[in-house]
Amino acid sequence: DTGVSQDPRHKITKRGQNVTFRCDPISEHNRLYWYRQTLGQGPEFLTYFQNEAQLEKSRLLSDRFSAERPKGSFSTLEIQRTEQGDSAMYLCASSLGGEDYIQYFGAGTRLSVL
Amino acid sequence: QKEVEQNSGPLSVPEGAIASLNCTYSDRGSQSFFWYRQYSGKSPELIMSIYSNGDKEDGRFTAQLNKASQYVSLLIRDSQPSDSATYLCAVNNGYSTLTFGKGTMLLVSP
Repeated sequence: DTGVSQDPRHKITKRGQNVTFRCDPISEHNRLYWYRQTLGQGPEFLTYFQNEAQLEKSRLLSDRFSAERPKGSFSTLEIQRTEQGDSAMYLCASSLGGEDYIQYFGAGTRLSVL
Repeated sequence: QKEVEQNSGPLSVPEGAIASLNCTYSDRGSQSFFWYRQYSGKSPELIMSIYSNGDKEDGRFTAQLNKASQYVSLLIRDSQPSDSATYLCAVNNGYSTLTFGKGTMLLVSP
């Protein structure tokens, strides 16, 4: 257990529904990252926050994806109008600031869109 | 397009042997390099980090970095069946995000 907590661990939804995932980072970490991983691929970066500021969001997959970290602690990732292609593992990671600092991953949320 | 390339494998080695995993990257500005281990259905777990040219050893694991050749490798000595997993190479190019390869599956047979 790295200390990064994600909820829920599994989510099954029907196409067209909205889903929201939560990530609680390691408490002293000011950076929080979201990645998506599909079968046979490495994690793909989506967005990241430093404290409450979202510093990179151009890699979010479409305008159906949004993320927030309102108080610089936990973060949520929302997918609106889900599609079957959104089925994947959504991973959250956190780190102290700086490129040399290691990112620690949570257990992930596995999304299945029917 | 910044890329990280790994042989998808599987790489099969007998128990006790040395497993050698390789990774190349395209962005010469890359600064930090990481190896993560991922068991099936689980999330990535950090194995090694390396920031400067040369070797870095931690127990049975040795990471090797050659920035001139844009090459990173991971050696696992005395491989154990419990080492069977997918090994992900990840590169930080200074923009605070990691670019991952697709991973190499390692199978260690008893």
